Amino acid sequence: GNSVTQMEGPVTLSEEAFLTINCTYTATGYPSLFWYVQYPGEGLQLLLKATKADDKGSNKGFEATYRKETTSFHLEKGSVQVSDSAVYFCALSEQAAGNKLTFGGGTRVLVKP
Amino acid sequence: EAGVAQSPRYKIIEKRQSVAFWCNPISGHATLYWYQQILGQGPKLLIQFQNNGVVDDSQLPKDRFSAERLKGVDSTLKIQPAKLEDSAVYLCASSFRRDRGTEAFFGQGTRLTVV
Repeated sequence: GNSVTQMEGPVTLSEEAFLTINCTYTATGYPSLFWYVQYPGEGLQLLLKATKADDKGSNKGFEATYRKETTSFHLEKGSVQVSDSAVYFCALSEQAAGNKLTFGGGTRVLVKP
Repeated sequence: EAGVAQSPRYKIIEKRQSVAFWCNPISGHATLYWYQQILGQGPKLLIQFQNNGVVDDSQLPKDRFSAERLKGVDSTLKIQPAKLEDSAVYLCASSFRRDRGTEAFFGQGTRLTVV
């Protein structure tokens, strides 16, 4: 079956530091890959996505590249802000499976001023 | 555009009691999902509807959980009887299209505590 593994948190950073969260996946087919974010007190929302190999998703200064050869989709941001403090979830979906999402366990990020 | 609405936001019940959660998806979204998120874990799919038909309920504990989607719009998820291990956040999500990489929109969830 499908699965997603992401680095455990919490990750604590100072403002303007570089952030990377590792994500690897196992899939039976050719999945689409996502990063969802959950800010304190809010629901899950899509941060970025990529639907084919070598695609780069980007949003709000975050980037992730779909690496089929290493089955990875690592999230990066060059300079984090306090407002980036949240829980980040890597996920995959397959169209043949109704686009249901398979999530990783989540990584809590705390950015200190 | 209104988002996915869920109610109640919080619920505390005793074990062996029953509970129901309600979800109103974004207007026009044919696909509706219910996920269970246990504290410290990622969400796990319980059931997926396409309009008012069930697409996938393979992970739904059918001896105690049930769900329906009325007229292809609103949905309810019920637990009867509840167990302590059902304590979790129950998330409803919806999506408009069935294309590859379609985004799912999530509600804020219902936090259930079983005591």
